[in-house]
Amino acid sequence: DAKTTQPNSMESNEEEPVHLPCNHSTISGTDYIHWYRQLPSQGPEYVIHGLTSNVNNRMASLAIAEDRKSSTLILHRATLRDAAVYYCILFNSQGAQKLVFGQGTRLTINP
Amino acid sequence: GAGVSQSPSNKVTEKGKDVELRCDPISGHTALYWYRQSLGQGLEFLIYFQGNSAPDKSGLPSDRFSAERTGGSVSTLTIQRTQQEDSAVYLCASSLDRIITEAFFGQGTRLTVV
Repeated sequence: DAKTTQPNSMESNEEEPVHLPCNHSTISGTDYIHWYRQLPSQGPEYVIHGLTSNVNNRMASLAIAEDRKSSTLILHRATLRDAAVYYCILFNSQGAQKLVFGQGTRLTINP
Repeated sequence: GAGVSQSPSNKVTEKGKDVELRCDPISGHTALYWYRQSLGQGLEFLIYFQGNSAPDKSGLPSDRFSAERTGGSVSTLTIQRTQQEDSAVYLCASSLDRIITEAFFGQGTRLTVV
């Protein structure tokens, strides 16, 4: 499985934008970039996913580098509820049919 | 149901006993996954079901662990002769099919082996 690299932790302030980076230099052409987050004492929840183009949804935006070797999850206006561990995962529809979670980035939001 | 349901939410068992953990996926979801998460750790893949068959069992840690899925719906994860290192949160997820666009996770079963 192609691997991703994320910072162990990040900190931001409430009501400010947050940019969570992910490096995936060995990404293949058929790897989708998925983001999940896990709030304290809960199961992970889907945030967003994309292949090549930037994506927006009600939760966040996903900016994908032109060479696809990195991506950034953007929370436009962080709230305290956004404090969670964020996982960047590569999913290849041609390969193993599972999401492989790394250690993720623990995001702390300051009031 | 509205989401993935797991039961029990908490289970305390004595070392050496067998336990069964249940997962009710979202209706119509053909793919089902089991993960476990030890305290402070990331999610560890255990097994993947497509329908009633399990094409990927590569994450099951030992032959004490087994899982089945019946009717393309409910799945049961069984741990025999539990050990203290089996203590963890066991999470189940489902997705519409094997090409994951969005996986939905349950709240998990917290297993404590004493």
